[in-house]
Amino acid sequence: KAGVTQTPRYLIKTRGQQVTLSCSPISGHRSVSWYQQTPGQGLQFLFEYFSETQRNKGNFPGRFSGRQFSNSRSEMNVSTLELGDSALYLCASSLFRASYSPLHFGNGTRLTVT
Amino acid sequence: TQLLEQSPQFLSIQEGENLTVYCNSSSVFSSLQWYRQEPGEGPVLLVTVVTGGEVKKLKRLTFQFGDARKDSSLHITAAQPGDTGLYLCAVNAGGTSYGKLTFGQGTILTVHP
Repeated sequence: KAGVTQTPRYLIKTRGQQVTLSCSPISGHRSVSWYQQTPGQGLQFLFEYFSETQRNKGNFPGRFSGRQFSNSRSEMNVSTLELGDSALYLCASSLFRASYSPLHFGNGTRLTVT
Repeated sequence: TQLLEQSPQFLSIQEGENLTVYCNSSSVFSSLQWYRQEPGEGPVLLVTVVTGGEVKKLKRLTFQFGDARKDSSLHITAAQPGDTGLYLCAVNAGGTSYGKLTFGQGTILTVHP
């Protein structure tokens, strides 16, 4: 069974540009969450999608947005990139929307903003 | 203030040594998860503990959930280089916040051959 797939693996963008990251969850998983990982702040929750609806949102500015498609694939977009947006962006999928349902993470997209 | 305080932040040991990583909080949780993340990869779930005082073993790894469900520990016996990685504890925000985990800052473990 294929795991969570994130594309691209690496991205280099310039300040002010925008970027779109893609996530394909494990087949059958309908819940997709996004996290940002930096050395200073660690892993921080961005948002969660289930059945094409955003269910939860973390404490990030409106420049960060996402969506989920009918096949459960998800994208996140960051507009007007800032240097501080440089991070590893991780996507995770879950079979159920339940506290006991484990998250399965992809290997992330490494975004560098110059 | 961090919801979850992990200690130590860094751990560098020789192969064969034992170690313990701690995850503490002043809040009570219904469950707590431990993940390991290796360089270039995403975190992988090791265990979920749900009952106060619960002890779970995964080969050489022993996980314990505090009696009051505010803290947890991870003990590794006879560490091996393959145990090297970032160890993270995490809790669910509760309510309907499924998929929204709050992570500790992590413990970077390096096991030297």
